[in-house]
Amino acid sequence: SQQGEEDPQALSIQEGENATMNCSYKTSINNLQWYRQNSGRGLVHLILIRSNEREKHSGRLRVTLDTSKKSSSLLITASRAADTASYFCATGEIQGAQKLVFGQGTRLTINP
Amino acid sequence: DTAVSQTPKYLVTQMGNDKSIKCEQNLGHDTMYWYKQDSKKFLKIMFSYNNKELIINETVPNRFSPKSPDKAHLNLHINSLELGDSAVYFCASSWGLGPNTGELFFGEGSRLTVL
Repeated sequence: SQQGEEDPQALSIQEGENATMNCSYKTSINNLQWYRQNSGRGLVHLILIRSNEREKHSGRLRVTLDTSKKSSSLLITASRAADTASYFCATGEIQGAQKLVFGQGTRLTINP
Repeated sequence: DTAVSQTPKYLVTQMGNDKSIKCEQNLGHDTMYWYKQDSKKFLKIMFSYNNKELIINETVPNRFSPKSPDKAHLNLHINSLELGDSAVYFCASSWGLGPNTGELFFGEGSRLTVL
């Protein structure tokens, strides 16, 4: 089944800087979701953006969606050490039974 | 109270054994899922149930058998365990028929190691 691809696979920045992660996908989608996973923990939902939306904000998070390019980006502003985690995009497909298809994630490290 | 809880958290067993992982959600959700996360962190859906009815059954060996006794519980039984079954298995739940309705809520994972 189709999956998103995150870019970069790993990102290391200094605390206070902004972090941008990108996601590309191949099929038509109903929505795109971003999740965070701390080491050894479950995934936590961050934000959902529907196919008819172009941008969404939640606190220090900003997500964009470009359905013509089949891509999305997650921006974390003013990063903190606690933001260190893996970030996954997941697409809710239109075709067939409803399921979320995940990419392989971006490993984000925030250096103090 | 934990919203989606799964047990056990860790499972170490020998090849050929049979094991089960249990999941319970107290969110009142209609749909529950099993995902498998491999060593490269790739998450792949295995099954989903809506109100005890199997909705999604991805290409998973017959050795894996999910069971949903009610809409709050989804268990996973694995027969004749193989080395390649070693992974972290995540249970999740959501409203409605699936992710087109909204977000998934994940459990903390069950790390299975097959020796």
